[in-house]
Amino acid sequence: NAGVTQTPKFRVLKTGQSMTLLCAQDMNHEYMYWYRQDPGMGLRLIHYSVGEGTTAKGEVPDGYNVSRLKKQNFLLGLESAAPSQTSVYFCASSFLSGGVDGYTFGSGTRLTVV
Amino acid sequence: SQQGEEDPQALSIQGGENATMNCSYKTSINNLQWYRQNSGRGLVHLILIRSNEREKHSGRLRVTLDTSKKSSSLLITASRAADTASYFCATDARGGSYIPTFGRGTSLIVHP
Repeated sequence: NAGVTQTPKFRVLKTGQSMTLLCAQDMNHEYMYWYRQDPGMGLRLIHYSVGEGTTAKGEVPDGYNVSRLKKQNFLLGLESAAPSQTSVYFCASSFLSGGVDGYTFGSGTRLTVV
Repeated sequence: SQQGEEDPQALSIQGGENATMNCSYKTSINNLQWYRQNSGRGLVHLILIRSNEREKHSGRLRVTLDTSKKSSSLLITASRAADTASYFCATDARGGSYIPTFGRGTSLIVHP
C-alpha cells in the first residue's frame, strides 16, 4: 500500500498565481486533513474532511479552498498565492475521528511563493 | 492556537542514554498522541494515551500522562542515532472537535 501520497513534492509560485495540491490515500480512510508547518512551529490545521463531499475549516483556512469529490482524494487550492503561504504542506488521513487510530501523513509538499 | 507545548525545545544526548521530553497542555483532553518527524519527512504516529490512562509502553517508548498537572512525558530508553528526529505531542480538547492540535516539537539529536 502506498499510504498517503502528495503531489507535487516541491513547487515555486509567483505571487498571485494559483495551484492545487493533491492528496491521495488508498486506505479507505474517512477523515482527511491538510496542515501547514512553518519553521519553529507545530502543524496548523487548514481544512479537513469527515467524508466524501464534506469539508470544514480549521485553524488557518484563509486563502485556501478544498474539495473532497472522491473519498480517496483531498485537494487543497491556493487561489492567489502570497509569500505568507510559503510553507511545507502535509496531508494526513485517519480511519477514526480525531485520528485516535493515529494519523497517516504524506511526505509533504514544500511550497515557496516569491 | 497551540494546545500542547513540548519541553525542551532541543535535546542533545549520547547514544545509549535515555531521552525524556515533556508536553504540557491547557485544557482537559480526551487523548494525547506522540509523533516523530525525521528531517524532511512526514510525521509518524508513535503512541496514543487516553485521558483515563496513566502510562503506556511501546518497545523502547514509555509515555506517562498526569491529567492533574495537564502534562505528559515521552521517554525513549537506550537511544540510538536513528532516534534523531523532532517529536510532537498532539492533544484534542475535551468538548471540542476531536481533531488534535500539535505543539512546536522537541528536536532530539542522538550522537553515535
